[in-house]
Amino acid sequence: EAGVTQFPSHSVIEKGQTVTLRCDPISGHDNLYWYRRVMGKEIKFLLHFVKESKQDESGMPNNRFLAERTGGTYSTLKVQPAELEDSGVYFCASSPDRVEQYFGPGTRLTVT
Amino acid sequence: AQSVTQLGSHVSVSEGALVLLRCNYSSSVPPYLFWYVQYPNQGLQLLLKYTTGATLVKGINGFEAEFKKSETSFHLTKPSAHMSDAAEYFCAVSERSNTGKLIFGQGTTLQVKP
Repeated sequence: EAGVTQFPSHSVIEKGQTVTLRCDPISGHDNLYWYRRVMGKEIKFLLHFVKESKQDESGMPNNRFLAERTGGTYSTLKVQPAELEDSGVYFCASSPDRVEQYFGPGTRLTVT
Repeated sequence: AQSVTQLGSHVSVSEGALVLLRCNYSSSVPPYLFWYVQYPNQGLQLLLKYTTGATLVKGINGFEAEFKKSETSFHLTKPSAHMSDAAEYFCAVSERSNTGKLIFGQGTTLQVKP
């Protein structure tokens, strides 16, 4: 069984540019989560999808962040325009039951 | 708001020594409890979890954790450290009636000395 995959593994962009991160969950997992770890801080929840619907987006930092989940399969997280404080590692996780979550390797975003 | 505290951002042990990583949570209602491990350049891997039942939970790679409601703790232990245990460890909780979102502690980096 393939695990959660994320693309790209690393992205370096300039302040003001746009970046789109992608997450492919484990097949059949309806629940998909995004988390972020800013350097030196704890991993923080961003949002939760059930299939294509956003269930909880209470952790999204501001309206520069837009998440979508096309057809309940893969998800994208777009940051537009990127700011320096957006730098960090973005993790995606999927779950069949909202209890056990399977994490991807993360995307390291560096905004210069 | 729910919070998770991991005591010690860095822990160093000798190979063969006991590993003890501490985790305390703030909720008065016992949540689901998890320990994740992140090896260098990899994603988070679930070590073990407590949802219900026996309070001593065994996980992968010889790790175990004990849920103590009276102490609101879920400390992670391993009797004998191996060099391969060097990694960052995260304690996390999720509320039972919620969406399953995880609240993480700050992480503890475990160093194993030969």
